[in-house]
Amino acid sequence: DAGVIQSPRHEVTEMGQEVTLRCKLISGHNSLFWYRQTMMRGLELLIYFNNNVPIDDSGMPEDRFSAKMPNASFSTLKIQPSEPRDSAVYFCASSITGTSWTIYFGEGSWLTVV
Amino acid sequence: AQTVTQSQPEMSVQEAETVTLSCTYDTSESDYYLFWYKQPPSRQMILVIRQEAYKQQNATENRFSVNFQKAAKSFSLKISDSQLGDAAMYFCAYRKSGSQGNLIFGKGTKLSVKP
Repeated sequence: DAGVIQSPRHEVTEMGQEVTLRCKLISGHNSLFWYRQTMMRGLELLIYFNNNVPIDDSGMPEDRFSAKMPNASFSTLKIQPSEPRDSAVYFCASSITGTSWTIYFGEGSWLTVV
Repeated sequence: AQTVTQSQPEMSVQEAETVTLSCTYDTSESDYYLFWYKQPPSRQMILVIRQEAYKQQNATENRFSVNFQKAAKSFSLKISDSQLGDAAMYFCAYRKSGSQGNLIFGKGTKLSVKP
């Protein structure tokens, strides 16, 4: 079975540019999470969805960040405009409600903003 | 609010020996789940082991086992017969039961394995 699939794996962009990170959930999963990891702040939850509905977006840093689930199996995280302090590893993760409650992670998207 | 504490920023173990990583958590919930994730240098987050709070029996997965003490809110990870490939960051995580719950992570323990 395919795991959580993220793209791109690595991205280097210039400050001010728009960045879009993509995520495909594990088939049948209905919860989607976006996490950010930095040396300074560790792992932070940005936002999570359940059945396509955003449940908690309190971790989204500011209006420059937005996340969507256009359908049940796909999500995007957009940063516009990007800033150097957005440099981090962004993880997408998914789970299925009511079974093991385990959250499975993608391999991460390494973002560098110069 | 729930919190997860890993008090050992770094640990070291000799190959083939046993090491225990500590984790404590704070919650007022009675139904929840605890996890250990491994993060090697590739940065991928890999599930190592999972424990349901309602189960008294400690979870085991091959060389990995936990010591779950619900009353003490303690959840330590024991790695037996340590291998070089076990070197990684290890994160303890908590998730309350229910669709509204997300993972709350500790700050991690960096494990080194000496040949």
